[in-house]
Amino acid sequence: SQTIHQWPATLVQPVGSPLSLECTVEGTSNPNLYWYRQAAGRGLQLLFYSVGIGQISSEVPQNLSASRPQDRQFILSSKKLLLSDSGFYLCAWRPGGGNTIYFGEGSWLTVV
Amino acid sequence: GDSVTQMEGPVTLSEEAFLTINCTYTATGYPSLFWYVQYPGEGLQLLLKATKADDKGSNKGFEATYRKETTSFHLEKGSVQVSDSAVYFCALSKTGTASKLTFGTGTRLQVTL
Repeated sequence: SQTIHQWPATLVQPVGSPLSLECTVEGTSNPNLYWYRQAAGRGLQLLFYSVGIGQISSEVPQNLSASRPQDRQFILSSKKLLLSDSGFYLCAWRPGGGNTIYFGEGSWLTVV
Repeated sequence: GDSVTQMEGPVTLSEEAFLTINCTYTATGYPSLFWYVQYPGEGLQLLLKATKADDKGSNKGFEATYRKETTSFHLEKGSVQVSDSAVYFCALSKTGTASKLTFGTGTRLQVTL
């Protein structure tokens, strides 16, 4: 069966420090991959999506970047975190040809 | 662009009460519709879905019917439990290479004894 893992689950980082959140999907090939953010008390905002290795689409301009170095690996990064980057980050995947998106457990980021 | 509108929360109900969370959408074409649930401190879990008009999605006692004429996908449950307390998100996606989800803002449900 397919599973999705993301880590770390919780992160507290100072302003100006770098960020790396990692997500991997198992049991499938060539999935679509997504990064969403949920700020406190707000809905979900799509940050990036990828339809294949090295293919990244950004939905909103921001202080973050994404990379897909392998088929089932999706990484969210920042060179210098801002206070406004705090939130709950969710990785998600969709099987090729499917119409349902499945989410990981989420990563809580607090920038202090 | 596409959008999803959900009723404002929080919704507070007593156990065994009937639940309705309203959801309407705006989209061109024929989107698929979803309800996701987020329990405290966790990620999102797919609750149910419907892919075409008049389809009814159901799971764990929850139901929602895809109504194209009213562009709605209201979530219902006949008798809620304390364990149903969570945030519920309505979402849509359209067939395509990316098939991105567009979410509503979420509705918090609090069920009390």
